[in-house]
Amino acid sequence: AQKVTQAQTEISVVEKEDVTLDCVYETRDTTYYLFWYKQPPSGELVFLIRRNSFDEQNEISGRYSWNFQKSTSSFNFTITASQVVDSAVYFCALSEARGSGGSNYKLTFGKGTLLTVNP
Amino acid sequence: EPEVTQTPSHQVTQMGQEVILRCVPISNHLYFYWYRQILGQKVEFLVSFYNNEISEKSEIFDDQFSVERPDGSNFTLKIRSTKLEDSAMYFCASMPRAPYEQYFGPGTRLTVT
Repeated sequence: AQKVTQAQTEISVVEKEDVTLDCVYETRDTTYYLFWYKQPPSGELVFLIRRNSFDEQNEISGRYSWNFQKSTSSFNFTITASQVVDSAVYFCALSEARGSGGSNYKLTFGKGTLLTVNP
Repeated sequence: EPEVTQTPSHQVTQMGQEVILRCVPISNHLYFYWYRQILGQKVEFLVSFYNNEISEKSEIFDDQFSVERPDGSNFTLKIRSTKLEDSAMYFCASMPRAPYEQYFGPGTRLTVT
């Protein structure tokens, strides 16, 4: 069974600090997909990034960067120079292909990390 | 930019009543999902729908739950006889093809009294 662990329940930082959100996953599949979603106080789920299991290249998008390491089953997310608008719950999620013809791809979410960025 | 829409944004119902939560996925998407999030907890998978049939359902998705895609645009979740523990935020999501990211609607907050 697939599982995602986000050990950090809450993190509080001061604006402009860098912050890393940890994500550790478990899966028996060799092909899987990892995601990060942001849930701001308004409640919607906003897609941030998707990585495939066969692509371990790290990615940077503006102030956001992601470090994918298969050897440690981790997919960590770093926000550089955090801003108050980054305050949200961040979810890491995992999907595998399941069902007939791989017709599922359901997401298994971690419990989320509440990030509070103080001015 | 196309987005997933959900109605209503908030539904209050009495225990034992039937509710229908509605979703309009992004046009041309092929995979559809319902998830729920009990207040302050993680997002949990309920059911996936592809090619006009359920492809997987979780243990939460018991006989009281059903889904339909009646007209090629709407995607509904029905709870036949609501319980207090069904109170949660229900999210609809759609995906254009596999594998890809899922796009979530804004959610329907269901309150069962």
